Amino acid sequence: AQKITQTQPGMFVQEKEAVTLDCTYDTSDQSYGLFWYKQPSSGEMIFLIYQGSYDEQNATEGRYSLNFQKARKSANLVISASQLGDSAMYFCATGGGTSGSRLTFGEGTQLTVNP
Amino acid sequence: DTAVSQTPKYLVTQMGNDKSIKCEQNLGHDTMYWYKQDSKKFLKIMFSYNNKELIINETVPNRFSPKSPDKAHLNLHINSLELGDSAVYFCASSQDLAGGQDTQYFGPGTRLTVL
Repeated sequence: AQKITQTQPGMFVQEKEAVTLDCTYDTSDQSYGLFWYKQPSSGEMIFLIYQGSYDEQNATEGRYSLNFQKARKSANLVISASQLGDSAMYFCATGGGTSGSRLTFGEGTQLTVNP
Repeated sequence: DTAVSQTPKYLVTQMGNDKSIKCEQNLGHDTMYWYKQDSKKFLKIMFSYNNKELIINETVPNRFSPKSPDKAHLNLHINSLELGDSAVYFCASSQDLAGGQDTQYFGPGTRLTVL
């Protein structure tokens, strides 16, 4: 079974600063994927970034990057140059391996960007 | 063009009623999912279909029955609604199984309130 832990229920950051949202995972699988989703107050789930377990390079998508440390089983999301619109709940998730296509989500981190 | 759409967006109903939520994706994906997000924002998979075949059926009461008439549609029917069924239900889709590492794209969610 896979498990995701997000230890930061809430985070605050000043506009234009960078912020790191923590995610650790627990799996015995060799092949798996790690995902980050954003859920703004409007409620939709927006895909941000993906990292495969065999990818040697950290994934990047615009202002989002995933700091993947396989040995430590961590997949932290880094948001650079925070914007007010980044205020949302952020979920880390994992899928693949023996869990198949089901995504296992963490409890989420509520990010607030202050002006 | 909405990639994954759900209807209705809001559903308020009395205990004991039967209701359905519909989901459609125009991404050409082979796999579709239902997730439940509880009041604490925790997301958990309920069902998954691949090309109209049920492949994931988590421990969900029998009152919940998914139906996939074709690979672009996945509906969720709920019988004898209970107070505890109040939640946000998300439909999602992905290209194919690929070891479960394909990105899942979510619909806007259906907020179900059982009175």
